[in-house]
Amino acid sequence: SQTIHQWPATLVQPVGSPLSLECTVEGTSNPNLYWYRQAAGRGLQLLFYSVGIGQISSEVPQNLSASRPQDRQFILSSKKLLLSDSGFYLCAWEDSYYGYTFGSGTRLTVV
Amino acid sequence: AQSVTQLGSHVSVSEGALVLLRCNYSSSVPPYLFWYVQYPNQGLQLLLKYTSAATLVKGINGFEAEFKKSETSFHLTKPSAHMSDAAEYFCAVTVNQGGKLIFGQGTELSVKP
Repeated sequence: SQTIHQWPATLVQPVGSPLSLECTVEGTSNPNLYWYRQAAGRGLQLLFYSVGIGQISSEVPQNLSASRPQDRQFILSSKKLLLSDSGFYLCAWEDSYYGYTFGSGTRLTVV
Repeated sequence: AQSVTQLGSHVSVSEGALVLLRCNYSSSVPPYLFWYVQYPNQGLQLLLKYTSAATLVKGINGFEAEFKKSETSFHLTKPSAHMSDAAEYFCAVTVNQGGKLIFGQGTELSVKP
């Protein structure tokens, strides 16, 4: 069956520190992968999506970047966090058979 | 480009009352529409989806939604609310079975005893 692993579940980081959030999927090949952010009181905003290894599309200009070094691995990064980067980050994958599957999310607090 | 508007960021109902969460979409091509539920600090769980088959879609936990093209709506309903239904609900749209999901702002549902 398809599963998605996202970690860590919670993270508190100081302003200016780097960030690396990882997402891995199992049970599928060549899925489309997505990073969403949910800020307090706001909906889900699509940040990045990837249709294949090394292929990243950015939806909004921001302080974050994404990479896909392997078919089933998607990483969200920042070199220097801002207070405005705080939020709930969700990874998702999608394929033609199962549709969309979401990870359990990472709660990031930048202090 | 497609978009979704959820009317009402907070909805409160009494236990046993009808639940109605509103969603209107905008799309230049036939849409695929979804409703997701999110419990605190958790990921999203699919409630139901419309993929151009029957306009009345039944989902999990007693929820259903009706696709109305003339009203560009996809409202979520449940005849009788349970305390366990308290959560945040998101409507989402995409224009094909793959590709980007565009979400509404979400509606937080509270259920009063």
